[in-house]
Amino acid sequence: KNEVEQSPQNLTAQEGEFITINCSYSVGISALHWLQQHPGGGIVSLFMLSSGKKKHGRLIATINIQEKHSSLHITASHPRDSAVYICAAPGSGSARQLTFGSGTQLTVLP
Amino acid sequence: NAGVTQTPKFQVLKTGQSMTLQCAQDMNHNSMYWYRQDPGMGLRLIYYSASEGTTDKGEVPNGYNVSRLNKREFSLRLESAAPSQTSVYFCASSWDRWTTNYGYTFGSGTRLTVV
Repeated sequence: KNEVEQSPQNLTAQEGEFITINCSYSVGISALHWLQQHPGGGIVSLFMLSSGKKKHGRLIATINIQEKHSSLHITASHPRDSAVYICAAPGSGSARQLTFGSGTQLTVLP
Repeated sequence: NAGVTQTPKFQVLKTGQSMTLQCAQDMNHNSMYWYRQDPGMGLRLIYYSASEGTTDKGEVPNGYNVSRLNKREFSLRLESAAPSQTSVYFCASSWDRWTTNYGYTFGSGTRLTVV
């Protein structure tokens, strides 16, 4: 099973700040997922990346396969970015089901 | 809109009662999953179905059964609910079980309380 650790668990920022959320995993993978869980509970897939960097609007995800580490950055944060951000990595073995981190609760204050 | 539809959104059960959570997707995905989410813990896989007609246990299958009724529908049944099954349940789907190349689509969740 892949162990997935996220940091920090909780993060409070002022509107406009640059945000970084980190994710590390124990077993080598070919792709990692970043998800966003809205305050109402819905979960949305943000990124799936296997190398380098991906960008979508103000969100940027990077991954270093050798170091088994990924980061999610939010530029010019806004209160509507307040959510739980979750990373997930495939496990080892034939099933390769996703193992999820426990999430980072982000609160952006106006 | 295309996506994953879960019902019900909320449910309160008494210990020992049974119920079925329904899930349907209209994206022609092959694989479907049931997860539970508990405070302070990541999503944990209960059961999954890699394709129509197949189901497999995940990390926490005890106390649950599933049925992959057809390609669209994947239901989760609690035969005799216990307070430990109080949780938020999510259904998800993807093109296939090899998660490396395809994203997941999640339902909106079912908040279940067992008293």
